[in-house]
Amino acid sequence: DGGITQSPKYLFRKEGQNVTLSCEQNLNHDAMYWYRQDPGQGLRLIYYSQIVNDFQKGDIAEGYSVSREKKESFPLTVTSAQKNPTAFYLCASSRGEYNSPLHFGNGTRLTVT
Amino acid sequence: GDSVTQMEGPVTLSEEAFLTINCTYTATGYPSLFWYVQYPGEGLQLLLKATKADDKGSNKGFEATYRKETTSFHLEKGSVQVSDSAVYFCALTRETSGSRLTFGEGTQLTVNP
Repeated sequence: DGGITQSPKYLFRKEGQNVTLSCEQNLNHDAMYWYRQDPGQGLRLIYYSQIVNDFQKGDIAEGYSVSREKKESFPLTVTSAQKNPTAFYLCASSRGEYNSPLHFGNGTRLTVT
Repeated sequence: GDSVTQMEGPVTLSEEAFLTINCTYTATGYPSLFWYVQYPGEGLQLLLKATKADDKGSNKGFEATYRKETTSFHLEKGSVQVSDSAVYFCALTRETSGSRLTFGEGTQLTVNP
């Protein structure tokens, strides 16, 4: 079955360390997205990519970086510059056209202590 | 900028009760509107959508009508089940945004037997 795979489900890191979250899709979707979910704040867009080798900042890109070297993959790096990295991170993909629905992975819960 | 406001949660209902979750939006032009649902420990799934004024989206017994005059897209279900317990997100996109979504804060629904 086609879908989006995020790994790992839970991730623990010490403050000051960079960490990379994996997101892979086999839906042949052009567009991919990273959202951050915090209680009571809904989902906020971190980065998105509409095509391979291109990506744009979302609303809360500071302290994060991404790459899009392959259509299937869109890894997110949470750097030590991110002040409040502990959160639930969701990856999504879509065909990229207007109104095309987003398909989400099951998320990665990152805890930084 | 665009924004989506949902009624505050959590909402707790008994099985077979009527459900309404309010959603209002602010956006220029004519956005498309969506409801997504997030079951515990999972990513979001598209529940329903409406792309123009007076459209009604429906799925799994849930309905929402796009009201341009009141900038609203309230989610309703006539008889909820325990399995409907989840977090519900209202979202919008505009044609200039491609498939990027702006989400509301989410509303936690718990249905008791």
